[in-house]
Parts: sequence; C-alpha cells; structure tokens
Amino acid sequence: GQQLNQSPQSMFIQEGEDVSMNCTSSSIFNTWLWYKQDPGEGPVLLIALYKAGELTSNGRLTAQFGITRKDSFLNISASIPSDVGIYFCAGPDDKIIFGKGTRLHILP
Amino acid sequence: SAVISQKPSRDICQRGTSLTIQCQVDSQVTMMFWYRQQPGQSLTLIATANQGSEATYESGFVIDKFPISRPNLTFSTLTVSNMSPEDSSIYLCSVGQSAKNIQYFGAGTRLSVL
Repeated sequence: GQQLNQSPQSMFIQEGEDVSMNCTSSSIFNTWLWYKQDPGEGPVLLIALYKAGELTSNGRLTAQFGITRKDSFLNISASIPSDVGIYFCAGPDDKIIFGKGTRLHILP
Repeated sequence: SAVISQKPSRDICQRGTSLTIQCQVDSQVTMMFWYRQQPGQSLTLIATANQGSEATYESGFVIDKFPISRPNLTFSTLTVSNMSPEDSSIYLCSVGQSAKNIQYFGAGTRLSVL
C-alpha cells in the first residue's frame, strides 16, 4: 500500500526559529492534509491542500502541495512554546494514510 | 467541523477484561472510524463503523477482538476484548467529511492494560 515518509523524525529548536518539515510519497495524492497532535489530545487538522502547487497559510503556518503531487511541505514561522507537539501529514487513498510524524521540541 | 466526544478519556484495566469506548458526535455524520495509536507511533485504522451494518475491518484487526457498534449517525462504540498489555494504546474515533477528504478526531482514550 501507499506509504508517507516524513522528515525529520524530530526537531529541537529555539523559540523564535522557523521550522520546516516535509512529507513524500511513492505515489500521487490528490489531497494533502497536515495535522498536529498535542500531548494527551487527538490530532487537529491544520491545513488541507487540494491542488498541485497550492500554497496555503494558516496564521504562522504555511503548507504547499508539491507540483509532482508526491510531496508536501509545512513551514512554521517564529516558533512559540505552544507549537510543541507531533505534526502528521496525511493523504486520502481508499482510506487516509498517515505519516509517522515529526516531533517538534522547543529548547528552553 | 463536528464536535466529537470520547469516553472514557483514560482507563487502566486488568488483562483478560474488556473495555467499551464510546464516541458521540454533535451532528449526523455518514463516516465514522476507529484508530489505534501505539506509544510513540502513528495512527493505524482499525475499522470503518458503518451505520446499520457490520463494521469494515482493516487487515490485522478482527471483529472478535474489536467489536464495533454504530446504532445511528451520531454514535459508535469500540470494545477492546480480552485485553492484554499489548493492547495498551490510544484509541481514537474520527468522523469523515467525504466531500473534502478530511477527518476530524476525538481526544482519544488512553488505555493501559496491566
């Protein structure tokens, strides 16, 4: 079946830094989703992308649907402590497939 | 998006017992799903809860171990049967918005089996 590869697996950054993470697939997706999971909570949808090349922002978050339709990027600008959590990319096939997640840590 | 309530939020259970997890949605939804998230891992789909018919299980999951009910368009339950420590996970309910290929998740049930 389809697999999504997320990188990096984890990130340790200073507050105020910008963050970039990506997700790649061996096959084409028509939709890319980015979720965030806070500790002790379920995943929350951040951004949905529906068109190749699409660039969408949600506050300090920006995500792009790759032109090849096999990848997507999520950027966070000027990180703050509440950005800590796990970020999952996901793509609907016959079911939604999730990447393994990028764990974001902010150093004190 | 729909408001999804899961109960219990967490539980500690003895091996060999069963736990039923409830998922209530504040609006009627066609598609409801149950996921498992093992410690430090991503989400794995257990089954699609179908209203009025048997759930559709993914490979590796069976009805005897994870019976699911879906009596109406706003409610579903997942039972984890004859539990063992390997069943210690987070169990998540989600609802689908098929027109946009999006799913929304409940807060999850954190299960520890001793």
